[in-house]
Amino acid sequence: GIQVEQSPPDLILQEGANSTLRCNFSDSVNNLQWFHQNPWGQLINLFYIPSGTKQNGRLSATTVATERYSLLYISSSQTTDSGVYFCAVDTGTASKLTFGTGTRLQVTL
Amino acid sequence: DTEVTQTPKHLVMGMTNKKSLKCEQHMGHRAMYWYKQKAKKPPELMFVYSYEKLSINESVPSRFSPECPNSSLLNLHLHALQPEDSALYLCASSQDPGTSTYNEQFFGPGTRLTVL
Repeated sequence: GIQVEQSPPDLILQEGANSTLRCNFSDSVNNLQWFHQNPWGQLINLFYIPSGTKQNGRLSATTVATERYSLLYISSSQTTDSGVYFCAVDTGTASKLTFGTGTRLQVTL
Repeated sequence: DTEVTQTPKHLVMGMTNKKSLKCEQHMGHRAMYWYKQKAKKPPELMFVYSYEKLSINESVPSRFSPECPNSSLLNLHLHALQPEDSALYLCASSQDPGTSTYNEQFFGPGTRLTVL
């Protein structure tokens, strides 16, 4: 099956710093989503981005499908950004989302 | 409204108990999913229902039994579970199953299950 690797696995930032999270995948995908999982376990949809670039406030994402990677940018980080960030891909064969390994982000004061 | 609801939030059960997890969506979505997430791991797909029919079973043990009574509801019946089945169980839904068109998945808050 498809392999989805995220880097870095762990990240500690001071409030106000910027960061870039990376998602590499091993095969062509039809869909790609970024999620933030909060400490209570809720998966919050950040972006649906099979290709191209999108922005939403302090967050933006870029997917380069031909090179099989996606990037999530977080600017001016806040403590509420803490949690685990997952990318997940769907190869389109049966609407199966395969999740990446995750990046655990901690934002400190 | 992009809300998926799940009940209960927490569940503790013994290995001989029978219990059910419930999931509901009112977005008119035609695909619904169960995922299992162990601590510090990513979610893993268990089942997919497409137009109320089971379309994918990821080799899940028979002690987990899914049911889709209608297009808005999804249940997961639990029987004779093992302590290693303790995990966060997540339900999701999406608009258009099994196609390459827009098919964003939306997740519920999960049920945190502990098997004693």
